[in-house]
Amino acid sequence: GAVVSQHPSRVICKSGTSVKIECRSLDFQATTMFWYRQFPKQSLMLMATSNEGSKATYEQGVEKDKFLINHASLTLSTLTVTSAHPEDSSFYICSARIGDYGYTFGSGTRLTVV
Amino acid sequence: GNSVTQMEGPVTLSEEAFLTINCTYTATGYPSLFWYVQYPGEGLQLLLKATKADDKGSNKGFEATYRKETTSFHLEKGSVQVSDSAVYFCALSQAGTALIFGKGTTLSVSS
Repeated sequence: GAVVSQHPSRVICKSGTSVKIECRSLDFQATTMFWYRQFPKQSLMLMATSNEGSKATYEQGVEKDKFLINHASLTLSTLTVTSAHPEDSSFYICSARIGDYGYTFGSGTRLTVV
Repeated sequence: GNSVTQMEGPVTLSEEAFLTINCTYTATGYPSLFWYVQYPGEGLQLLLKATKADDKGSNKGFEATYRKETTSFHLEKGSVQVSDSAVYFCALSQAGTALIFGKGTTLSVSS
């Protein structure tokens, strides 16, 4: 149980275009979703926290106009990378909280901007 | 703020060797502590967790004990296998907020 489905798993886009990443909770309601970015051989950096029906809270240094997060329903949260550039190439992972101490993760999206 | 520090890798071991990956944390109050594993090409999987001091988390032969006095949560396994080769992340959370991760330690086990 408590599966988060993340799509796409890989995407290549041209510089200047926008890319949307979706995370769906399949068998539970995700009131809170966390979005992370992972650089090669490095840790996961928290980008933002989104709560269903409200604006996302972004971590310091994360451009909210570039990384648009929408959490319009209890089963879907999206991250849109707008006007993508090569430096946005990275591995993006969503995570949902389950109960008091649990977290489940999407399988990640490898974004390559060319 | 809260942070997690874990030993730098890579860690290279022979099969059946003993494994220790050190992890210390900085946090106010009483965080929950976790170890996650990321196999090549895959997402994060919870390996074990502990939610209060002196708790021992265990799974698949791995163990870690929540030591409040030393603010540590070191990961151990008595006999590693080739299939344990992966990246291991120590993490903490407080009051259900987002997980804060360490930088990850790459483990490579050879037969």
